[in-house]
Amino acid sequence: GESVGLHLPTLSVQEGDNSIINCAYSNSASDYFIWYKQESGKGPQFIIDIRSNMDKRQGQRVTVLLNKTVKHLSLQIAATQPGDSAVYFCAENMGNFNKFYFGSGTKLNVKP
Amino acid sequence: GAVVSQHPSWVICKSGTSVKIECRSLDFQATTMFWYRQFPKQSLMLMATSNEGSKATYEQGVEKDKFLINHASLTLSTLTVTSAHPEDSSFYICSARDSSNNEQFFGPGTRLTVL
Repeated sequence: GESVGLHLPTLSVQEGDNSIINCAYSNSASDYFIWYKQESGKGPQFIIDIRSNMDKRQGQRVTVLLNKTVKHLSLQIAATQPGDSAVYFCAENMGNFNKFYFGSGTKLNVKP
Repeated sequence: GAVVSQHPSWVICKSGTSVKIECRSLDFQATTMFWYRQFPKQSLMLMATSNEGSKATYEQGVEKDKFLINHASLTLSTLTVTSAHPEDSSFYICSARDSSNNEQFFGPGTRLTVL
């Protein structure tokens, strides 16, 4: 059988569709959040960030939404492309020496 | 953009040996660097904060005598896995915080395999 923690949740979308990836963070005192993209065998790559005094921030093809009430972040990718296939992590900064703690991650699989 | 390098990119070693991994900020100074460990299909787990000129601070549950960190200059931090065992096999990733603007950049990671 499968062991807990050995499989990332997977989101499969069709090329051209919009993707929504969700993340629950742990500390209500966190004041800065980043979404990272990680391709296989590589380090994390910055996508977009948001501070706790905002609830929405837009980048190129990506939007991050922050709901502090329920400690929830989402990453929206418009017109998803095959190159978007990767694992996506949210990371929270608790304001303590800029340490970031990562969420569990979601694997995005874009079907051509 | 700012670049952080790691060396080696991958290493295979025998059980009981020690392995040193380097993290360098190539075009900025970093008084603070961070070391993460990532097991397959899992998230990045913060191991320790590396501070230039002072002792590293370790996260709860991380053995400081097993994972030695040295941050001897503003552009280099090293992580030494001492007496490595197969369970230490993992992907080790560093990040460096640009002292001028507090932006943080990740290295490409080092794949450690202990036989």
